[in-house]
Amino acid sequence: KNQVEQSPQSLIILEGKNCTLQCNYTVSPFSNLRWYKQDTGRGPVSLTIMTFSENTKSNGRYTATLDADTKQSSLHITASQLSDSASYICVVSLTDSWGKFQFGAGTQVVVTP
Amino acid sequence: DADVTQTPRNRITKTGKRIMLECSQTKGHDRMYWYRQDPGLGLRLIYYSFDVKDINKGEISDGYSVSRQAQAKFSLSLESAIPNQTALYFCATSDNRGGQPQHFGDGTRLSIL
Repeated sequence: KNQVEQSPQSLIILEGKNCTLQCNYTVSPFSNLRWYKQDTGRGPVSLTIMTFSENTKSNGRYTATLDADTKQSSLHITASQLSDSASYICVVSLTDSWGKFQFGAGTQVVVTP
Repeated sequence: DADVTQTPRNRITKTGKRIMLECSQTKGHDRMYWYRQDPGLGLRLIYYSFDVKDINKGEISDGYSVSRQAQAKFSLSLESAIPNQTALYFCATSDNRGGQPQHFGDGTRLSIL
């Protein structure tokens, strides 16, 4: 069973609207959590990274939040643009010394005009 | 030039063939990774290397081997390809501060007939 669950699997939003993606994890002990954006045909690109002591981190129109107590993270996209169409992947690190991380399956976002 | 370069970008081959995927990076990072991505699944770790003399198996290493020829080069081999190894393969790097991979290549789409 995957220890990192992302929801929804996919969503379609109108250009200019906001949306929120969810990431729930069960891995423990938790070290940090990173969100990536993966465009079709490209490799993932890091958006934000948060340690267990951080509650929020922003990167332009992308804002990630983290609740380490409930083991939930969210990625909020503000004023979506067509270029935001991509898969968004949540990755949780158990420890930063083993090189092994738990990847979510991703949420596919489609922004329509 | 891209920070992480993978070659080839696409490859179609037959069952039983030996295949090598190559990865080179200009980030100067010690840590390099090979991942496999299948539809609906998170990226899964095949092998990782923390330096030229340190190679470690990931969660799905069976049927694969790697070589770290230099700090900048990390290749993945399929000794005798089989159809269920058809997937998208990513190379990634990170620095020694730990955490998830920071830079990914754009992937190699491998099809085994």
